[in-house]
This record gives sequence, C-alpha cells and structure tokens, in this order.
Amino acid sequence: DAGVIQSPRHEVTEMGQEVTLRCKPISGHNSLFWYRQTMMRGLELLIYFNNNVPIDDSGMPEDRFSAKMPNASFSTLKIQPSEPRDSAVYFCASSLALGTSPTDTQYFGPGTRLTVL
Amino acid sequence: QQPVQSPQAVILREGEDAVINCSSSKALYSVHWYRQKHGEAPVFLMILLKGGEQKGHDKISASFNEKKQQSSLYLTASQLSYSGTYFCGTEGRGGGGADGLTFGKGTHLIIQP
Repeated sequence: DAGVIQSPRHEVTEMGQEVTLRCKPISGHNSLFWYRQTMMRGLELLIYFNNNVPIDDSGMPEDRFSAKMPNASFSTLKIQPSEPRDSAVYFCASSLALGTSPTDTQYFGPGTRLTVL
Repeated sequence: QQPVQSPQAVILREGEDAVINCSSSKALYSVHWYRQKHGEAPVFLMILLKGGEQKGHDKISASFNEKKQQSSLYLTASQLSYSGTYFCGTEGRGGGGADGLTFGKGTHLIIQP
C-alpha cells in the first residue's frame, strides 16, 4: 500500500517567492495533519483537517501560511511570501479516526525540505 | 504544553536496556511513540490509549500512567537498529482521537557495538 505522498521532496526558493507543498494522504484516512520540524522548535503541528474540514489552525505561524484540502485525497500548504525563517522540513501525516476513539495513529509522509534563501 | 521527555540523550552498548520518559502537565487522552532516523520521517512505534495500558512488540514496550500523566518507553536488549530519536506525541482530553499531536523535543538514542 502506498503511504503518505508528499511533493516536492526538496524545495529551494528565494525570499518573497510563493511556495506550495502538496500531500496525498493514505487512501481511506479521514484526518490529515501538517507539521513543521526544525532543530530549534522540534515537531510542531501547524493545522489539521477532519473529513476535509479544517479543525484547528492555531499552529499556523502567521497569515503568510494557508492550507487547503479540496478533497479527501489532496491537500496543499502554501507560504506566500516565503521568508528564510520558514526553512524547515514540512511533514504531512494522515490517520483514520472515528470520533470517539482512534483506530489508528498518524502515519507520516517523507517530508518536504524547504530552504528559503 | 509540550510534553517533557527525559533523558535528552542516551548512549548504550548493544544489548543494554533503556527507558525513555514522557511527562505532560495536562490530562492526556493518548500517547503515541515514534522513532525518527536522521533525514527520515518519524515512524510509528505504538499508541497507548488507556490509563495503565501497556503494549509491546519485539523488545520495545511502553506504559501509560494516566493519573500521573506520563508514559515510558522501554527498550530491552537494544540493537544497533534502535538508534535514532524517539518522540512521544500526546493528545489531550476531548480530542476524540482526531486531534493533532503535541510532540516532545525527543530523546536521542545511540547504540554502540
């Protein structure tokens, strides 16, 4: 079975450019999560969706960050404009959760390593 | 509200045992343990849902003390493949199983031959 798929795997861009990260969750999973990992701050939750609906975006650093999930098999995380401090590894994860108790944990994609110059 | 992991780093000889602790200042719904190797994504190890629950596979096991709001990961007879950074991810009450996880800063485990 295919796991969580993320693209691109590596992205190098210049400050001020728009960056779009993409994620395809595991088929059948109904929850999708975006995390960011840096040496200083570790793994941080940015936003998550249940059944394509954003539930909590309190982890999104600022208005430059936005995320969408137009359907059950695709999500994007956009940074516009990008800044050097956005450099990090961005992970997408998915899970199957049925509301009252989890039937599964979160499975992580390979990540996108973003470098903003 | 980030869980606190201890120790921050451990260096072991192959075959030795290790315990990694994860403590939270808030009530927990579940604790998820992951291992991450350098340059790779975190890989799921196990999830603990109930206070007092214990789980394990192979020589890695974990316990969850809901009352104390803490979990411990036990690695026995460690193997070279156990090297990596171990993270606990916690989910607070009311999440319903679909909340994002709050991760600790990680415990770096180095196994030497």
